[in-house]
Amino acid sequence: DQQVKQNSPSLSVQEGRISILNCDYTNSMFDYFLWYKKYPAEGPTFLISISSIKDKNEDGRFTVFLNKSAKHLSLHIVPSQPGDSAVYFCAATITGGGNKLTFGTGTQLKVEL
Amino acid sequence: DSGVTQTPKHLITATGQRVTLRCSPRSGDLSVYWYQQSLDQGLQFLIQYYNGEERAKGNILERFSAQQFPDLHSELNLSSLELGDSALYFCASSLDLSYEQYFGPGTRLTVT
Repeated sequence: DQQVKQNSPSLSVQEGRISILNCDYTNSMFDYFLWYKKYPAEGPTFLISISSIKDKNEDGRFTVFLNKSAKHLSLHIVPSQPGDSAVYFCAATITGGGNKLTFGTGTQLKVEL
Repeated sequence: DSGVTQTPKHLITATGQRVTLRCSPRSGDLSVYWYQQSLDQGLQFLIQYYNGEERAKGNILERFSAQQFPDLHSELNLSSLELGDSALYFCASSLDLSYEQYFGPGTRLTVT
């Protein structure tokens, strides 16, 4: 049972444009969400997170939006850069219930020149 | 560099064998987590230790076990290995019970 879903296995975007990566979840108990970026032969790197009490969180070029009613979150990268090419994982957890992260299957982002 | 180290980087072994994967967390981090990533799969949570004690368990097989030592490093033991155990195994650590986890580079296990 995939509780966190990233339905787009890949995404291609031109340099300078916006990248939008999507994530859906089914478990309504999830109340904290994270995005990780992964380059080949490296471990995932924490990017940005959001609590369910907010609907938006920004950090530089990265913005995460949360729509609780739709059980949907998205990561916006503006402007996209070639160095952003990586696999992006969405993760979710239940605060106060341990720190277990439930990950999606990832979206491969390719930023083209 | 996340500060989390994992050894070995690669491991090739035969079915039925037993292996031990090692993880050293970031300096000061008390929590250690183990995840498995199989081909085309997301990361699957296996187990978490906090300051030497098991804190949470995921879908970890009975053939797998882990422990965290007094110096906070952790080991994941995989026994009676099967072909399906071939995967990337990641260790992560976090400060106290923070939700932001920092991942090591992983150990790629190949069972032949």
